Amino acid sequence: NAGVTQTPKFQVLKTGQSMTLQCAQDMNHEYMSWYRQDPGMGLRLIHYSVGAGITDQGEVPNGYNVSRSTTEDFPLRLLSAAPSQTSVYFCASSSRTGGISGANVLTFGAGSRLTVL
Amino acid sequence: ILNVEQSPQSLHVQEGDSTNFTCSFPSSNFYALHWYRWETAKSPEALFVMTLNGDEKKKGRISATLNTKEGYSYLYIKGSQPEDSATYLCAPSSGGYQKVTFGIGTKLQVIP
Repeated sequence: NAGVTQTPKFQVLKTGQSMTLQCAQDMNHEYMSWYRQDPGMGLRLIHYSVGAGITDQGEVPNGYNVSRSTTEDFPLRLLSAAPSQTSVYFCASSSRTGGISGANVLTFGAGSRLTVL
Repeated sequence: ILNVEQSPQSLHVQEGDSTNFTCSFPSSNFYALHWYRWETAKSPEALFVMTLNGDEKKKGRISATLNTKEGYSYLYIKGSQPEDSATYLCAPSSGGYQKVTFGIGTKLQVIP
């Protein structure tokens, strides 16, 4: 099992450019989420999904779009990047019902470091 | 947005010392409390998820307790080792499992 795979690991954008951070999991987890990590702050929830076709906003959703067309994939889209979106982004997934890790235990990807100039 | 407070923010201990950290969170509408261990240049890894008041969980030398009525959890590390050096994150969720809110963490450094 690969777990949670995020691509790319590093990306530099110019202000106004768009891009998609990819997240894929192979654990058949119902729940997937995106967090951003900034210095001096805890991980902040951007968007989450409880299943294919269902998404909802987290704590800091502005400037980001998500969709969940399959159980495995949960891409995060930046439509017009801003310097304030410079951050490290983590995708995480969990199973509602349990599995090896236990119910609702988050499994994180390796992170994607985004710099917006 | 939940207000999650972790203390201390950082801690240096000698190898072999035992230590503990505190996590405070709003007790209203509590659903679950997560603890994660985050090593530098890696991803957070789960230690425990607790849901019931009075829950105690143990994993090797690390244990945790939960008080949902007063809104706090303690994480204990017995006989700290250099490999325990990491940031320990506390993350409650309220009203359901969907929104897990992370504290800033307690950064532990174990000195050999």
